[in-house]
Amino acid sequence: DAKTTQPPSMDCAEGRAANLPCNHSTISGNEYVYWYRQIHSQGPQYIIHGLKNNETNEMASLIITEDRKSSTLILPHATLRDTAVYYCIVSLLGYNQGGKLIFGQGTELSVKP
Amino acid sequence: DVKVTQSSRYLVKRTGEKVFLECVQDMDHENMFWYRQDPGLGLRLIYFSYDVKMKEKGDIPEGYSVSREKKERFSLILESASTNQTSMYLCASSPGGSSYNEQFFGPGTRLTVL
Repeated sequence: DAKTTQPPSMDCAEGRAANLPCNHSTISGNEYVYWYRQIHSQGPQYIIHGLKNNETNEMASLIITEDRKSSTLILPHATLRDTAVYYCIVSLLGYNQGGKLIFGQGTELSVKP
Repeated sequence: DVKVTQSSRYLVKRTGEKVFLECVQDMDHENMFWYRQDPGLGLRLIYFSYDVKMKEKGDIPEGYSVSREKKERFSLILESASTNQTSMYLCASSPGGSSYNEQFFGPGTRLTVL
């Protein structure tokens, strides 16, 4: 699986948009970009995933560059409860395709009042 | 909402004991997973199961076994606990097919082996 690179930490003011970057320059054409987050003392939580089109759900938006070598997770109005470690993962889609989540070190996002 | 529950939040065991960690999901998911999480090492996959009675080794299966006798329940067994198995253990489940990687995690069990 392709590897990802994320900044180790970021700060964001409460109520502002949080933009979390991820580089995945070796991503292959059929690998998806997944985002998870882990709030302290809890299990990871799935946020969103995409292949090449931008995606949005009730939690976040995912912007993937046209060359697919990087992406950005956007939390439009960050709250204190969004303070967590955010993981960017690239993976094939399903078990039969060899899909597998490999969690790196992620980005520790601190949302400050 | 999917709910994944784990039998204990905290567990303390002695070296050499047999340890059972239980995980139950209530959304009829085909896939279930066991990970361990250690500082600096991230989450590592121990075992997963894609169907009842089916299991596959993950990246670090040594010292562990699993059991899946019912679709909703996936057990992790430490046959003879050792101190290097002190860790946070996380169970997850996901639907089949293309949603395999949309995994729902339980709250974790922090196991200490003395």
